[in-house]
Amino acid sequence: DVKVTQSSRYLVKRTGEKVFLECVQDMDHENMFWYRQDPGLGLRLIYFSYDVKMKEKGDIPEGYSVSREKKERFSLILESASTNQTSMYLCASSTGTTRETQYFGPGTRLLVL
Amino acid sequence: RKEVEQDPGPFNVPEGATVAFNCTYSNSASQSFFWYRQDCRKEPKLLMSVYSSGNEDGRFTAQLNRASQYISLLIRDSKLSDSATYLCVVSPGIRYNQGGKLIFGQGTELSVKP
Repeated sequence: DVKVTQSSRYLVKRTGEKVFLECVQDMDHENMFWYRQDPGLGLRLIYFSYDVKMKEKGDIPEGYSVSREKKERFSLILESASTNQTSMYLCASSTGTTRETQYFGPGTRLLVL
Repeated sequence: RKEVEQDPGPFNVPEGATVAFNCTYSNSASQSFFWYRQDCRKEPKLLMSVYSSGNEDGRFTAQLNRASQYISLLIRDSKLSDSATYLCVVSPGIRYNQGGKLIFGQGTELSVKP
């Protein structure tokens, strides 16, 4: 069974704090993704990576950065958290091409006060 | 115009009903199509892939119409456990989609009542 884990299920941070969200997958997948999900807006892609040390901007990268130092781990960084970054953050991984399923982690619900 | 559009619902149906969800996509070059299911406060999971010839998995039937850029999901004999949000998912349709990006619709919420 593919397993994607995220470091926290719930997180509360203050405006201006630096926030790290960690994602680990155990299936040797090449591709990893960070999304945020908001009511009425659906899933929006923040960043993705198709190889170690490679990263590509998604649709809404502003205010975020990522790091992929090891194949199994993909980190999302909020350099200076803001209230409009309060959201559900979902990590996913997949192997190969677009015909392959994306497997999601359980999500991190982030509240920025 | 959104790349993938779905009726957000909610669809409220009684047990045993047949319900159909529709989805349209804007990029005619899209190559791969899926339906994902997301339970309340859980992560999305693949329900089924969608093929041009149509495909069936038990009570679920998915259809693709490339000419109309239209995808559908039919659920027959709906169960209480079918209550969830159903996400229409499409590949972005670029020639070389390194990284396996997918585009998710907003989802259609289904509530099956006893």
